[in-house]
Amino acid sequence: GENVEQHPSTLSVQEGDSAVIKCTYSDSASNYFPWYKQELGKRPQLIIDIRSNVGEKKDQRIAVTLNKTAKHFSLHITETQPEDSAVYFCAASGGSARQLTFGSGTQLTVLP
Amino acid sequence: DGGITQSPKYLFRKEGQNVTLSCEQNLNHDAMYWYRQDPGQGLRLIYYSQIVNDFQKGDIAEGYSVSREKKESFPLTVTSAQKNPTAFYLCASSTRQANSGNTIYFGEGSWLTVV
Repeated sequence: GENVEQHPSTLSVQEGDSAVIKCTYSDSASNYFPWYKQELGKRPQLIIDIRSNVGEKKDQRIAVTLNKTAKHFSLHITETQPEDSAVYFCAASGGSARQLTFGSGTQLTVLP
Repeated sequence: DGGITQSPKYLFRKEGQNVTLSCEQNLNHDAMYWYRQDPGQGLRLIYYSQIVNDFQKGDIAEGYSVSREKKESFPLTVTSAQKNPTAFYLCASSTRQANSGNTIYFGEGSWLTVV
């Protein structure tokens, strides 16, 4: 099945700086890679996703890049704000494991 | 998002008891899922269902059971066989897309604590 590894597990940045979270996956047939944001005690919410036919996708301050050859994808948040503080999860699906497999999460703290 | 309702939000279970968590969706989604989340960890798949009257075990199905008698409903029973059930349980749903990724939407979650 699919295995998704996510790094770092915690990340602290100063407000206004950029944050980068990286994930690697094991199944080369995976073709869908969403990112979820989860605030404390709340449900995960989809913030951006990418499919394997594109290498990069942007939505305002967030972007995701995908390197299929290396089997890794990354979340980039620019001009971070305190409300960006949350746990971020990457996930992958579409290969032999048809269901989403999640990474272990990154606790992002944006310091004022 | 707002179309997935989980209840109760907080539940306490005594040792040896079975408890059932409710999940209802009005998004007309074919697929439904149950995930377990422990502190500091990711989401682990318990069970999923692609269609009514059919469901499959996920990665950590032992000690849990589900049913899918209606498209809108996917209740999860945590049985006494689940030795460490204290966790945050998330129900989710998605359209059933055979060849591309499923965008999954989550309910608000249910906190289960063993007392």
